[in-house]
Amino acid sequence: QKEVEQNSGPLSVPEGAIASLNCTYSDRGSQSFFWYRQYSGKSPELIMFIYSNGDKEDGRFTAQLNKASQYVSLLIRDSQPSDSATYLCAAYTNAGKSTFGDGTTLTVKP
Amino acid sequence: DTGVSQDPRHKITKRGQNVTFRCDPISEHNRLYWYRQTLGQGPEFLTYFQNEAQLEKSRLLSDRFSAERPKGSFSTLEIQRTEQGDSAMYLCASSLGLGLITSGANVLTFGAGSRLTVL
Repeated sequence: QKEVEQNSGPLSVPEGAIASLNCTYSDRGSQSFFWYRQYSGKSPELIMFIYSNGDKEDGRFTAQLNKASQYVSLLIRDSQPSDSATYLCAAYTNAGKSTFGDGTTLTVKP
Repeated sequence: DTGVSQDPRHKITKRGQNVTFRCDPISEHNRLYWYRQTLGQGPEFLTYFQNEAQLEKSRLLSDRFSAERPKGSFSTLEIQRTEQGDSAMYLCASSLGLGLITSGANVLTFGAGSRLTVL
């Protein structure tokens, strides 16, 4: 079992819809969680991070964390074609490193 | 600051040759990480440094891989006796590392990567 699991996708949504991306993690010592976006042929770039249970909103993006269920999610509202990318979930532990899932590929259709 | 720089961007080599990649992190960042990524997979942790100290190396990493960060600034990743299975994108990332998690001290800033092709 991988330490960080994501829905493999691909996920396809129409423009303007809500895209929901999910992630589970196995290490209960994980302290904070990150969502990175990776366009094809590019490096990952941070969307947002979360460390407390509940929701955290940043513009069209909302991250949700449930430590009891070891579950993290990312909602993208009003999805745009420019949101089409692979979304990587990562968990940071007190060992000092971030462990990544394999990503979910999102396609937003105009 | 120009971000995280990696060199070379592309490297094609023959099986059995040695290759070395260089990473220059963001100057204020204490931590430097090496990851490997293949198509359809997420970044796989290889090793990381805090300043010049190598704090962790993946137990899955072959002894053919070695990394250094001699003065706590740039880092090199060397792969000896390359194999076709080493073909991948090698990503370097840096972070502040020190500070509260609430401050985003552990956010990774990635370089553009070094793509290795072993023939």
